Amino acid sequence: GAGVSQSPSNKVTEKGKDVELRCDPISGHTALYWYRQSLGQGLEFLIYFQGNSAPDKSGLPSDRFSAERTGGSVSTLTIQRTQQEDSAVYLCASSLGQINEQFFGPGTRLTVL
Amino acid sequence: GQQLNQSPQSMFIQEGEDVSMNCTSSSIFNTWLWYKQDPGEGPVLLIALYKAGELTSNGRLTAQFGITRKDSFLNISASIPSDVGIYFCAGQLKGGSEKLVFGKGMKLTVNP
Repeated sequence: GAGVSQSPSNKVTEKGKDVELRCDPISGHTALYWYRQSLGQGLEFLIYFQGNSAPDKSGLPSDRFSAERTGGSVSTLTIQRTQQEDSAVYLCASSLGQINEQFFGPGTRLTVL
Repeated sequence: GQQLNQSPQSMFIQEGEDVSMNCTSSSIFNTWLWYKQDPGEGPVLLIALYKAGELTSNGRLTAQFGITRKDSFLNISASIPSDVGIYFCAGQLKGGSEKLVFGKGMKLTVNP
């Protein structure tokens, strides 16, 4: 499809396990963003990639969170040693860099038991 | 961090009514965007505004970029049941990066 895709759509894990969430941005979009949305809340910025520049990691809540973007396209958000408070919907968005119209994927709902 | 104050937080209206929501900030923005999120989905872009004073329509939706560049509003006319969802404003700060700052959202319920 032409939109942003994310996988898995749902992930249930046990406390202490590591998880990887994947995002495929829209082809040609140079900017990629990760957000976290807790139940009934707004979007919390996590990390931003723009082209080959160093990512803006200012929103990552702890060093258990990390993200990569390989080849300027697909991105993986990794959460190590998951905690119950990590339970949320993780949303990925992409945009044409300086043009700020971000297009969102459907999200991955993470549940940490 | 920078904040957008979005109000109201929720609204309950009857089908056919108009609804208005707004976002304000103490900071100046270069861009304002309005998104709608349906349950279990990611936010979908409704309207993008790039110029102070700009008034843009998309069907029954109308949004304006405030002249002070510190606020924006979204109006929905003649609401229908499928307008139900959460509406977010988002803005790019003047002098900031491409990151967007998001409001906390407004949950709209439309009674048929």
